[in-house]
Amino acid sequence: NAGVTQTPKFRVLKTGQSMTLLCAQDMNHEYMYWYRQDPGMGLRLIHYSVGEGTTAKGEVPDGYNVSRLKKQNFLLGLESAAPSQTSVYFCASSYGLAARSYEQYFGPGTRLTVT
Amino acid sequence: KNQVEQSPQSLIILEGKNCTLQCNYTVSPFSNLRWYKQDTGRGPVSLTIMTFSENTKSNGRYTATLDADTKQSSLHITASQLSDSASYICVVSRNDYKLSFGAGTTVTVRA
Repeated sequence: NAGVTQTPKFRVLKTGQSMTLLCAQDMNHEYMYWYRQDPGMGLRLIHYSVGEGTTAKGEVPDGYNVSRLKKQNFLLGLESAAPSQTSVYFCASSYGLAARSYEQYFGPGTRLTVT
Repeated sequence: KNQVEQSPQSLIILEGKNCTLQCNYTVSPFSNLRWYKQDTGRGPVSLTIMTFSENTKSNGRYTATLDADTKQSSLHITASQLSDSASYICVVSRNDYKLSFGAGTTVTVRA
Protein backbone atom coordinates (compact mmCIF):
# COMPACT_ATOMS: atom_id res chain seq x y z
CA ASN A 1 0.00 0.00 0.00
CA ALA A 2 1.98 3.00 -1.31
CA GLY A 3 -0.65 5.64 -0.49
CA VAL A 4 -0.27 8.69 -2.74
CA THR A 5 2.68 8.81 -5.10
CA GLN A 6 3.83 11.62 -7.40
CA THR A 7 6.03 11.61 -10.48
CA PRO A 8 8.49 13.26 -11.00
CA LYS A 9 10.02 14.46 -7.72
CA PHE A 10 11.94 17.32 -9.31
CA ARG A 11 11.79 19.08 -12.65
CA VAL A 12 13.34 22.14 -14.25
CA LEU A 13 11.52 23.67 -17.23
CA LYS A 14 12.22 26.58 -19.49
CA THR A 15 9.57 29.21 -20.01
CA GLY A 16 7.06 28.02 -22.59
CA GLN A 17 7.75 24.32 -22.19
CA SER A 18 5.02 21.90 -21.23
CA MET A 19 4.91 19.00 -18.82
CA THR A 20 2.55 16.66 -16.99
CA LEU A 21 2.69 15.75 -13.31
CA LEU A 22 1.28 12.36 -12.41
CA CYS A 23 -0.46 11.51 -9.17
CA ALA A 24 -1.49 7.97 -8.27
CA GLN A 25 -3.33 6.61 -5.23
CA ASP A 26 -4.04 3.02 -4.25
CA MET A 27 -6.64 3.68 -1.55
CA ASN A 28 -9.68 3.64 -3.85
CA HIS A 29 -10.42 7.27 -2.97
CA GLU A 30 -13.07 9.18 -4.88
CA TYR A 31 -11.66 12.65 -4.29
CA MET A 32 -8.31 13.87 -5.58
CA TYR A 33 -6.71 17.30 -5.41
CA TRP A 34 -3.78 19.28 -6.75
CA TYR A 35 -2.26 22.01 -4.56
CA ARG A 36 0.68 24.32 -4.88
CA GLN A 37 2.78 25.48 -1.95
CA ASP A 38 4.77 28.71 -2.10
CA PRO A 39 7.04 30.19 0.58
CA GLY A 40 5.16 32.09 3.27
CA MET A 41 1.77 31.04 1.94
CA GLY A 42 -0.63 28.26 2.74
CA LEU A 43 -1.35 25.51 0.25
CA ARG A 44 -3.68 26.65 -2.50
CA LEU A 45 -6.03 24.41 -4.42
CA ILE A 46 -5.46 24.32 -8.17
CA HIS A 47 -7.99 21.73 -9.37
CA TYR A 48 -9.82 18.84 -7.84
CA SER A 49 -11.88 15.81 -8.85
CA VAL A 50 -14.88 14.23 -7.13
CA GLY A 51 -14.67 11.00 -9.11
CA GLU A 52 -13.42 9.30 -12.25
CA GLY A 53 -14.05 11.44 -15.31
CA THR A 54 -14.75 14.62 -13.34
CA THR A 55 -12.64 17.72 -12.73
CA ALA A 56 -13.31 21.15 -11.26
CA LYS A 57 -11.44 24.40 -10.73
CA GLY A 58 -10.01 25.41 -7.38
CA GLU A 59 -8.64 28.75 -6.22
CA VAL A 60 -5.75 29.15 -8.68
CA PRO A 61 -6.55 27.16 -11.86
CA ASP A 62 -5.15 29.52 -14.51
CA GLY A 63 -2.33 28.01 -16.56
CA TYR A 64 -3.11 24.44 -15.50
CA ASN A 65 -5.26 21.64 -16.85
CA VAL A 66 -6.15 18.30 -15.29
CA SER A 67 -7.58 14.95 -16.25
CA ARG A 68 -8.95 11.98 -14.29
CA LEU A 69 -9.42 9.21 -16.81
CA LYS A 70 -8.86 6.49 -14.22
CA LYS A 71 -10.01 6.60 -10.60
CA GLN A 72 -6.53 6.03 -9.26
CA ASN A 73 -4.76 8.68 -11.35
CA PHE A 74 -4.98 12.47 -11.46
CA LEU A 75 -2.81 14.33 -13.96
CA LEU A 76 -1.81 17.99 -13.79
CA GLY A 77 -0.64 19.64 -17.01
CA LEU A 78 1.21 22.84 -17.68
CA GLU A 79 0.79 23.74 -21.35
CA SER A 80 3.17 26.72 -21.42
CA ALA A 81 5.19 27.04 -18.24
CA ALA A 82 5.84 30.46 -16.71
CA PRO A 83 8.29 31.47 -13.94
CA SER A 84 5.26 32.20 -11.70
CA GLN A 85 4.54 28.49 -11.73
CA THR A 86 7.76 27.73 -9.89
CA SER A 87 6.46 26.00 -6.80
CA VAL A 88 6.11 22.73 -4.94
CA TYR A 89 3.08 20.78 -6.12
CA PHE A 90 1.23 18.38 -3.87
CA CYS A 91 -1.38 15.86 -4.81
CA ALA A 92 -3.85 14.62 -2.20
CA SER A 93 -6.73 12.19 -2.03
CA SER A 94 -9.62 11.48 0.31
CA TYR A 95 -12.44 8.97 0.58
CA GLY A 96 -15.05 11.65 1.17
CA LEU A 97 -15.54 15.37 1.50
CA ALA A 98 -13.15 17.30 3.70
CA ALA A 99 -16.18 18.98 5.26
CA ARG A 100 -17.24 15.60 6.67
CA SER A 101 -13.90 15.18 8.42
CA TYR A 102 -12.47 12.69 5.97
CA GLU A 103 -8.71 12.57 6.03
CA GLN A 104 -6.76 14.03 3.14
CA TYR A 105 -3.64 12.04 2.33
CA PHE A 106 -0.84 13.92 0.64
CA GLY A 107 1.85 12.78 -1.74
CA PRO A 108 5.55 13.66 -1.27
CA GLY A 109 5.43 16.63 -3.64
CA THR A 110 7.01 17.68 -6.93
CA ARG A 111 9.45 20.58 -6.89
CA LEU A 112 9.14 22.48 -10.17
CA THR A 113 11.42 25.30 -11.25
CA VAL A 114 10.64 27.34 -14.36
CA THR A 115 13.53 29.43 -15.68
CA LYS B 1 -6.39 38.06 2.84
CA ASN B 2 -5.64 34.67 4.36
CA GLN B 3 -8.53 33.46 6.43
CA VAL B 4 -6.25 31.32 8.60
CA GLU B 5 -3.48 33.08 10.52
CA GLN B 6 -0.84 31.20 12.48
CA SER B 7 1.62 32.44 15.08
CA PRO B 8 4.45 32.51 15.67
CA GLN B 9 5.91 32.17 12.20
CA SER B 10 8.79 30.16 13.66
CA LEU B 11 10.17 29.12 17.01
CA ILE B 12 13.14 27.32 18.48
CA ILE B 13 12.84 25.16 21.58
CA LEU B 14 15.14 22.89 23.53
CA GLU B 15 14.57 19.17 23.47
CA GLY B 16 12.26 18.11 26.27
CA LYS B 17 10.49 21.45 26.54
CA ASN B 18 6.86 22.18 25.72
CA CYS B 19 5.51 24.68 23.21
CA THR B 20 2.17 25.99 21.99
CA LEU B 21 1.28 27.11 18.50
CA GLN B 22 -1.66 29.38 17.74
CA CYS B 23 -4.20 29.51 14.93
CA ASN B 24 -6.87 32.16 14.40
CA TYR B 25 -9.38 31.85 11.61
CA THR B 26 -12.18 33.81 10.00
CA VAL B 27 -13.39 31.02 7.72
CA SER B 28 -17.15 30.74 7.66
CA PRO B 29 -19.17 28.61 7.69
CA PHE B 30 -17.02 26.26 9.78
CA SER B 31 -17.04 22.50 9.52
CA ASN B 32 -13.81 21.23 11.06
CA LEU B 33 -10.26 22.24 11.93
CA ARG B 34 -7.18 20.16 11.27
CA TRP B 35 -3.56 20.31 12.29
CA TYR B 36 -0.98 18.84 9.96
CA LYS B 37 2.73 18.17 10.44
CA GLN B 38 4.96 18.69 7.43
CA ASP B 39 8.54 17.48 7.56
CA THR B 40 11.02 19.19 5.25
CA GLY B 41 10.69 17.86 1.72
CA ARG B 42 7.57 15.83 2.45
CA GLY B 43 3.82 16.19 2.20
CA PRO B 44 1.64 17.19 5.17
CA VAL B 45 0.49 14.45 7.52
CA SER B 46 -2.66 14.80 9.61
CA LEU B 47 -2.29 15.08 13.40
CA THR B 48 -5.85 15.89 14.51
CA ILE B 49 -9.26 16.78 13.12
CA MET B 50 -11.82 18.54 15.33
CA THR B 51 -15.42 19.45 14.59
CA PHE B 52 -17.10 22.49 16.13
CA SER B 53 -18.45 20.37 19.00
CA GLU B 54 -15.00 19.15 20.09
CA ASN B 55 -12.77 21.44 22.13
CA THR B 56 -9.75 19.19 22.62
CA LYS B 57 -8.16 16.24 20.89
CA SER B 58 -4.87 14.47 21.50
CA ASN B 59 -2.52 12.43 19.35
CA GLY B 60 0.35 11.21 21.49
CA ARG B 61 2.35 14.21 22.64
CA TYR B 62 0.26 16.55 20.49
CA THR B 63 -2.86 18.16 21.96
CA ALA B 64 -5.08 20.45 19.94
CA THR B 65 -7.72 22.74 21.39
CA LEU B 66 -10.53 24.55 19.65
CA ASP B 67 -12.68 27.49 20.70
CA ALA B 68 -15.27 27.83 17.95
CA ASP B 69 -16.78 30.93 19.61
CA THR B 70 -13.56 32.93 19.40
CA LYS B 71 -12.38 31.10 16.28
CA GLN B 72 -9.09 30.11 17.84
CA SER B 73 -7.15 26.88 18.03
CA SER B 74 -3.86 25.87 19.56
CA LEU B 75 -1.51 22.94 19.20
CA HIS B 76 0.50 21.99 22.27
CA ILE B 77 3.60 19.83 21.93
CA THR B 78 4.65 18.13 25.15
CA ALA B 79 8.21 17.02 25.94
CA SER B 80 9.51 17.93 22.49
CA GLN B 81 11.79 15.59 20.58
CA LEU B 82 14.21 16.27 17.75
CA SER B 83 11.76 14.56 15.40
CA ASP B 84 9.19 17.25 16.17
CA SER B 85 11.22 19.69 14.06
CA ALA B 86 8.81 20.45 11.22
CA SER B 87 6.24 22.89 9.95
CA TYR B 88 2.82 22.70 11.62
CA ILE B 89 -0.10 23.77 9.51
CA CYS B 90 -3.58 24.75 10.68
CA VAL B 91 -6.35 23.99 8.18
CA VAL B 92 -9.99 24.99 8.38
CA SER B 93 -12.74 23.31 6.39
CA ARG B 94 -15.96 24.94 5.29
CA ASN B 95 -19.06 22.91 4.65
CA ASP B 96 -17.99 22.02 1.15
CA TYR B 97 -14.84 20.70 -0.52
CA LYS B 98 -12.63 23.65 0.31
CA LEU B 99 -9.82 23.67 2.85
CA SER B 100 -8.20 26.95 3.91
CA PHE B 101 -4.56 26.48 4.87
CA GLY B 102 -2.49 28.61 7.20
CA ALA B 103 1.08 29.43 6.22
CA GLY B 104 2.41 27.25 9.03
CA THR B 105 4.67 27.57 12.06
CA THR B 106 8.19 26.22 11.70
CA VAL B 107 9.36 24.48 14.87
CA THR B 108 13.03 23.72 15.42
CA VAL B 109 13.93 21.48 18.33
CA ARG B 110 17.54 21.70 19.47
CA ALA B 111 19.44 19.19 21.58
